[in-house]
Amino acid sequence: AQTVTQSQPEMSVQEAETVTLSCTYDTSESDYYLFWYKQPPSRQMILVIRQEAYKQQNATENRFSVNFQKAAKSFSLKISDSQLGDAAMYFCAYRTAGRQGGSEKLVFGKGTKLTVNP
Amino acid sequence: DAGVIQSPRHEVTEMGQEVTLRCKPISGHDYLFWYRQTMMRGLELLIYFNNNVPIDDSGMPEDRFSAKMPNASFSTLKIQPSEPRDSAVYFCASSHWYDRGWNEQFFGPGTRLTVL
Repeated sequence: AQTVTQSQPEMSVQEAETVTLSCTYDTSESDYYLFWYKQPPSRQMILVIRQEAYKQQNATENRFSVNFQKAAKSFSLKISDSQLGDAAMYFCAYRTAGRQGGSEKLVFGKGTKLTVNP
Repeated sequence: DAGVIQSPRHEVTEMGQEVTLRCKPISGHDYLFWYRQTMMRGLELLIYFNNNVPIDDSGMPEDRFSAKMPNASFSTLKIQPSEPRDSAVYFCASSHWYDRGWNEQFFGPGTRLTVL
């Protein structure tokens, strides 16, 4: 079974600075997707960024980027120019890729609470 | 689109009572998921449906939990009888299958359940 580990329960960053959240996963599959979700205090789960395992190029969405190291099974999230609105719980998640009828199950890490200091 | 709709947003009940959580997925989505979030266990998948058929219910904790999807626009998660350890936030999510696609799961706002 796949597992996702986020080793940093809490992180803090100064406004306008950069922070990196860590995520590692364990799988024997070669084709899969990785996601970062944000959960602000409103508790709404919001997709931040996603990565396909077969793509070597790291995904980027505005101030958010990932460092995907497939061999190391590592998927870290970098937030640049941090803003107060980035304060939230961040969850790393894994899903098997592929055929219809295959597993659509998302496996989540335990989360990292990010605090942004003004 | 209104997104995934869940009701109620908050539910407080007493131990032993039946609890029913409701979910309306995004129109056109063919997958529906129920997740539970607790401090101890994090976010865990309880069950998911494809075209109204349960596909994986291995996360359902015990027989007190049941889920149904009578049609494409409605699902329920029922706990009977409820226990204090069932207190959690329950999320419903939906997605649409695209071949080689992200099949992004869109989450509802969650139902915070408190069992006294």
